[in-house]
Amino acid sequence: QQQVKQSPQSLIVQKGGISIINCAYENTAFDYFPWYQQFPGKGPALLIAIRPDVSEKKEGRFTISFNKSAKQFSLHIMDSQPGDSATYFCAARRAGKSTFGDGTTLTVKP
Amino acid sequence: GAVVSQHPSWVICKSGTSVKIECRSLDFQATTMFWYRQFPKQSLMLMATSNEGSKATYEQGVEKDKFLINHASLTLSTLTVTSAHPEDSSFYICSARDSRGGGYEQYFGPGTRLTVT
Repeated sequence: QQQVKQSPQSLIVQKGGISIINCAYENTAFDYFPWYQQFPGKGPALLIAIRPDVSEKKEGRFTISFNKSAKQFSLHIMDSQPGDSATYFCAARRAGKSTFGDGTTLTVKP
Repeated sequence: GAVVSQHPSWVICKSGTSVKIECRSLDFQATTMFWYRQFPKQSLMLMATSNEGSKATYEQGVEKDKFLINHASLTLSTLTVTSAHPEDSSFYICSARDSRGGGYEQYFGPGTRLTVT
């Protein structure tokens, strides 16, 4: 049973556009939801994270929207840039252990 | 910021040999570190949770005698792949939990590419 489902698998966006990546989870015991950005051959880097008592969090061009009742959360990248081209992973954490989504490969075209 | 390093960044070894990978938290103490494995174009799979001064907790299906983990200090955890085989070739990534001020965040190392020939 996949506890965190991420979509889409890949995404192509024009420069300046909005990139939206979605995740859904099953276990209501998850209490922390981070998003990571990973470039090829590198480790994941934390982008932004949210707790379930908050519906939205914004940091710069990155926004997390969280819907607790639907058990869904999403990452919005505003004004997407070619440098944002990377793989993005959502995660859900419980008791300190993270479960990752399968990742979304984002390509931002100039 | 919180920085986690890994050494080596890549390693090639012959089948049957053992390889040790180090994970260090450079500017914070980490009572808990995690080891992940990642295959190309796939997600991160948690292998084990490493707690300073105690035995590691392995995820189901991970052979603890093959993947030896030692968390001897608050800034260092090591993963030793024993008797490596080609199927152990993968990208190994550690993360360290920053417990400062009751913090909850995990920071990832840059990963180690292991190739077993």
